Amino acid sequence: NAGVMQNPRHLVRRRGQEARLRCSPVKGHSHVYWYRQLPEEGLKFMVYLQKENIIDESGMPKERFSAEFPKEGPSILRIQQVVRGDSAAYFCASSPLRSEKLFFGSGTQLSVL
Amino acid sequence: AQRVTQPEKLLSVFKGAPVELKCNYSYSGSPELFWYVQYSRQRLQLLLRHISRESIKGFTADLNKGETSFHLKKPFAQEEDSAMYYCALRDNQGGKLIFGQGTELSVKP
Repeated sequence: NAGVMQNPRHLVRRRGQEARLRCSPVKGHSHVYWYRQLPEEGLKFMVYLQKENIIDESGMPKERFSAEFPKEGPSILRIQQVVRGDSAAYFCASSPLRSEKLFFGSGTQLSVL
Repeated sequence: AQRVTQPEKLLSVFKGAPVELKCNYSYSGSPELFWYVQYSRQRLQLLLRHISRESIKGFTADLNKGETSFHLKKPFAQEEDSAMYYCALRDNQGGKLIFGQGTELSVKP
């Protein structure tokens, strides 16, 4: 069991481009969480998804950001028209049930030039 | 509002010294609290949770509802304890975790 897999590890985009971050949860886990870590700050919750459903998106910026967790395949965090302020480490976590402990991926470091 | 506060960004101690990483929370009701740790070049992982009342790697944490605190303690720090430590609170919907800003623990030889 490889744990939570995130790719790419590093992603460089120019302003205005799209960024797509992928997260494959632990096999058998149906709950996925995305967090963002800005420099000098802690982990900020973005969105919580269960297969094909968004459970809590209270931490998602209203524009340009979207997330999905389809029935088949990884969860995707999509950022359209990236800006420099989107540069951060994005972490994905999964759990088998709603209130179980979270297993984290290694993160994707997004750099916007 | 639900919030977790870790007042120290960096805590530096010598090997063998006691360690206390502070965590305060804001929550109405019965909180569910955790400590997560991230060692250098490793993933964030669960260290302990208050409902388990366990001691992991010599660390313990007691929930103090009166002071709304969940401080992490270890009587004798080891160099391998050097890491980032995050305190986290389960939100009242039973889903996501709310993390503090993290404290970097540095244990010097």
